[in-house]
Amino acid sequence: GQNIDQPTEMTATEGAIVQINCTYQTSGFNGLFWYQQHAGEAPTFLSYNVLDGLEEKGRFSSFLSRSKGYSYLLLKELQMKDSASYLCAVRGPPMNRDDKIIFGKGTRLHILP
Amino acid sequence: DVKVTQSSRYLVKRTGEKVFLECVQDMDHENMFWYRQDPGLGLRLIYFSYDVKMKEKGDIPEGYSVSREKKERFSLILESASTNQTSMYLCASSPVGQGGANEKLFFGSGTQLSVL
Repeated sequence: GQNIDQPTEMTATEGAIVQINCTYQTSGFNGLFWYQQHAGEAPTFLSYNVLDGLEEKGRFSSFLSRSKGYSYLLLKELQMKDSASYLCAVRGPPMNRDDKIIFGKGTRLHILP
Repeated sequence: DVKVTQSSRYLVKRTGEKVFLECVQDMDHENMFWYRQDPGLGLRLIYFSYDVKMKEKGDIPEGYSVSREKKERFSLILESASTNQTSMYLCASSPVGQGGANEKLFFGSGTQLSVL
């Protein structure tokens, strides 16, 4: 089966750092995505990992350990506009151009002033 | 910028009606997807297509069908709408063959469908 787990909700303070974890058990792996979704809006791409290690992009970083089926999204210097849901998504291996991307249920992040 | 356009932002239909949700992308992407998003359940894949006239079932295809007659357009069809199909429907597209993060999904703004 396929399963992607992430916490339902988290709360952090403006200016602080927060880490959102994601664990996955999927039938094959060909990359992990993080998306941000503000309430009432479409998800937008944040980061991509396919090899183990840390990818840094400004205030946001994403880490992957394939052997552990684990990723995290790290948000630094939190701003009020970071209040959103963060979606972890895994792409399976391409087979006959079958390129499914499966999403976790998302983590709703609340930022307090 | 890639644009994925869904025809309606809000839609209200009655039980038993046939419903068409339209999605158009303007970046010549090969892959197109339909997801539904429900509170506590996240995004679930209904159907996807990797080429014109090709379709593949996702995780929850029951009660839905799709049509892809042209590369830029992917339609989701509810043959006989039911109340449990009330949801936010999100269309997405992605290119193929560019590798890695370049094959990310681009989403439309979503259609909030209410079936009464």
